[in-house]
Amino acid sequence: GENVEQHPSTLSVQEGDSAVIKCTYSDSASNYFPWYKQELGKRPQLIIDIRSNVGEKKDQRIAVTLNKTAKHFSLHITETQPEDSAVYFCAAHRSNTGNQFYFGTGTSLTVIP
Amino acid sequence: NAGVTQTPKFRVLKTGQSMTLLCAQDMNHEYMYWYRQDPGMGLRLIHYSVGEGTTAKGEVPDGYNVSRLKKQNFLLGLESAAPSQTSVYFCASTRTGGTEAFFGQGTRLTVV
Repeated sequence: GENVEQHPSTLSVQEGDSAVIKCTYSDSASNYFPWYKQELGKRPQLIIDIRSNVGEKKDQRIAVTLNKTAKHFSLHITETQPEDSAVYFCAAHRSNTGNQFYFGTGTSLTVIP
Repeated sequence: NAGVTQTPKFRVLKTGQSMTLLCAQDMNHEYMYWYRQDPGMGLRLIHYSVGEGTTAKGEVPDGYNVSRLKKQNFLLGLESAAPSQTSVYFCASTRTGGTEAFFGQGTRLTVV
């Protein structure tokens, strides 16, 4: 099956700096890569996603890049703010395997004011 | 529109007791999932369903059973709870393949 690795497990940045979280996947057939944000005590919520036919996607301060050849994708947060502090999960999905999502182990991001 | 709702939110069980967690979604989604979340291990899939009346095993199915008798509901059962099942459980649903997963608010289960 699919194996998703996520790094780093913890990340601290100063407010206003950028944060980058990286994930690798093993199954070349995976074709959908969402990122979820989970605030303390809350449910995971989708913040951005990318499909395998796209190399980059942006939404205001958040961007995701995908390198299919290297099988890795990254989340970029610019101009970080304290409210960006949360745990971020990447995931990989392949349509023809029962629609399972394989999640990374999470990155705890702390933005220091 | 409530989205995905889990019941209960908290529960403490004694070893060997049984319980059922209920997940309900009002978005007419085909696919539903049960995950457990443990520190440092991300979200691990327990069981999932691709439609009413169907279920399948995920990564960590042992000790759990599920049923999906109605499209909007997905039940997770623990027949004989063990301390290793202490975790936060999340239900999720998706409309079709490769689309946003909507999560419930989670159930914190402690087995003593």
